Amino acid sequence: NSKVIQTPRYLVKGQGQKAKMRCIPEKGHPVVFWYQQNKNNEFKFLINFQNQEVLQQIDMTEKRFSAECPSNSPCSLEIQSSEAGDSALYLCASSRGDTGQLYFGEGSKLTVL
Amino acid sequence: GDQVEQSPSALSLHEGTGSALRCNFTTTMRAVQWFQQNSRGSLINLFYLASGTKENGRLKSTFNSKESYSTLHIRDAQLEDSGTYFCAAITGNTGKLIFGLGTTLQVQP
Repeated sequence: NSKVIQTPRYLVKGQGQKAKMRCIPEKGHPVVFWYQQNKNNEFKFLINFQNQEVLQQIDMTEKRFSAECPSNSPCSLEIQSSEAGDSALYLCASSRGDTGQLYFGEGSKLTVL
Repeated sequence: GDQVEQSPSALSLHEGTGSALRCNFTTTMRAVQWFQQNSRGSLINLFYLASGTKENGRLKSTFNSKESYSTLHIRDAQLEDSGTYFCAAITGNTGKLIFGLGTTLQVQP
């Protein structure tokens, strides 16, 4: 169904540690989104890119996360100092940008102990 | 802010039966996507609609942008249809999705 590749599938971190997740968007998709899904099924938009440029990001992302989509390399999302509340499924999605249809990867499940 | 209200939150069906899921939007949305999330957490694309109705096998979806709702009909439910179904509406020009809270479907023999 989707060719968005996310790694790692699972990661376990202690509080205060960095947590880095990567995403390879579908070929030909210049737009990339990151979402956080918590255990209550709430999806939170984190940040989106068009090519290498950030289009939008929420406050939390700007303050606590580091994210980039370099050309010819996977996109990445890194929590600088993990907190228990960051435990969630992090989903990357890509889009051609014209219709807006998003294709999601399988996600990276983060557990912060 | 913009919201998506999805119902029901949980649904139990016997194999061979059917039902409908619904999402109401608090504002005009540009398009809607429906996903099935499996036990591994993967969000499988079911439909993308900017308007009208689409059908795929035992699934049919409608998006009425004027009346701000979308539906997903499942007929002849099979065990493998079990999972959590999400609608997500595309708002504005950024393409950002706003998700409902999902419908957990359990199909029983």
